[in-house]
Amino acid sequence: QVQLQQWGPGLLKPSETLSLTCTVYGGSFSGYYWTWIRQAPEKGLEWIGEIAHSGDISYNPSLKSRVTISGDTSKSQFSLRLTALTAADTAVYYCARGHYGSGWDAWGQGTLLIVSS
Amino acid sequence: SSELTQDPAVSVALGQTVRITCQGDSLRTYFPTWYQQKPRQAPVLVIYGENNRPSGIPDRFSGSSSGNAASLTITGAQAEDEADYYCNSRDSSGNYWLFGGGTKLTVL
Repeated sequence: QVQLQQWGPGLLKPSETLSLTCTVYGGSFSGYYWTWIRQAPEKGLEWIGEIAHSGDISYNPSLKSRVTISGDTSKSQFSLRLTALTAADTAVYYCARGHYGSGWDAWGQGTLLIVSS
Repeated sequence: SSELTQDPAVSVALGQTVRITCQGDSLRTYFPTWYQQKPRQAPVLVIYGENNRPSGIPDRFSGSSSGNAASLTITGAQAEDEADYYCNSRDSSGNYWLFGGGTKLTVL
């Protein structure tokens, strides 16, 4: 049974940079795409971006200038970096495993990020 | 198109059937996936593709699509189905992912 475990800071100041890492346990890193999704308080889900097992990366156009997603297959990890944080980036951040044509079938536990001075 | 539209809230009597809808131009090209999210939990995939349920999802959940609209149907809603439901698909260009705004389902 695959498990995704994520970790990162819970509180950052405006203008700082968020770094989150998600580790995949109990499943292959190959053949999937690895995604970051966030959810602001009392709001809906927002796709941030993803890295495919091939190494192809895509980003939400609205965040593209501030986001970097990378992967380390040797460690079964993928990471999110989001720069120039503002209060609008306050959200729960999820990592998730996507299977082509089948949606995101495994999710991390979520990390609440609060951006506040 | 860059938008998927869902009704903000729907209610259903216990044991009755409810349909949660999603509209968007991208649905003419792509089947949506549907996610259930309960408070303080990560979303759970309930329907993908034309009408497929992951292992462990009850068969009272089903999906359908026609034109620019898609529906998630719960036949015989249970109290534990009370949750937020999100539709999701590629955008029309196929370059990125969209989510609907979510529908809050109340089981009365």
